[in-house]
Amino acid sequence: DVKVTQSSRYLVKRTGEKVFLECVQDMDHENMFWYRQDPGLGLRLIYFSYDVKMKEKGDIPEGYSVSREKKERFSLILESASTNQTSMYLCASQSLAGGHEQYFGPGTRLTVT
Amino acid sequence: EDQVTQSPEALRLQEGESSSLNCSYTVSGLRGLFWYRQDPGKGPEFLFTLYSAGEEKEKERLKATLTKKESFLHITAPKPEDSATYLCAVRRGSTLGRLYFGRGTQLTVWP
Repeated sequence: DVKVTQSSRYLVKRTGEKVFLECVQDMDHENMFWYRQDPGLGLRLIYFSYDVKMKEKGDIPEGYSVSREKKERFSLILESASTNQTSMYLCASQSLAGGHEQYFGPGTRLTVT
Repeated sequence: EDQVTQSPEALRLQEGESSSLNCSYTVSGLRGLFWYRQDPGKGPEFLFTLYSAGEEKEKERLKATLTKKESFLHITAPKPEDSATYLCAVRRGSTLGRLYFGRGTQLTVWP
């Protein structure tokens, strides 16, 4: 079974803090994705990566950066957390061989106060 | 613009009352249509992929179908444990594998 893990299930941070969210997948997938999910807005893509050290902006990259130094690990960084970044953050991985379905982690519920 | 639209936004069914969820899409060059189930507070769980019009996939009480403009997720004799949000997503060509998601249909099945 594909396993995608995220470093925290719940996280509370203060405005202005630098926040790191980590995602690890164990299936040697090429692609990894970071989304945020808010009520009424659905899943919105923040960034994705198609290879080590490679990244592409999604629809809402402002206020975020990413890092992929190893194939299995993809980090999302909030440089200076703000209250409007309070959200559920979901990581996904995807193989380019086969069906291209994405497999999601359990999510991190981030609250910025 | 929205490429994937799901309807209805919310659906309440009595246990055993069959129904369908709709996912309409406007992308050209479809490379796959994906259905996911998401329970509250959890990540989406992959259900099916459909690639071409006329294709069908089944899993327990769920059956997904695809036409050139939309997909249906049919739920036959649902049970309370089928309550969840169902998400639809599409993949276009030349997008590095990116999926475009609809906003989901929240299904509640009551006993």
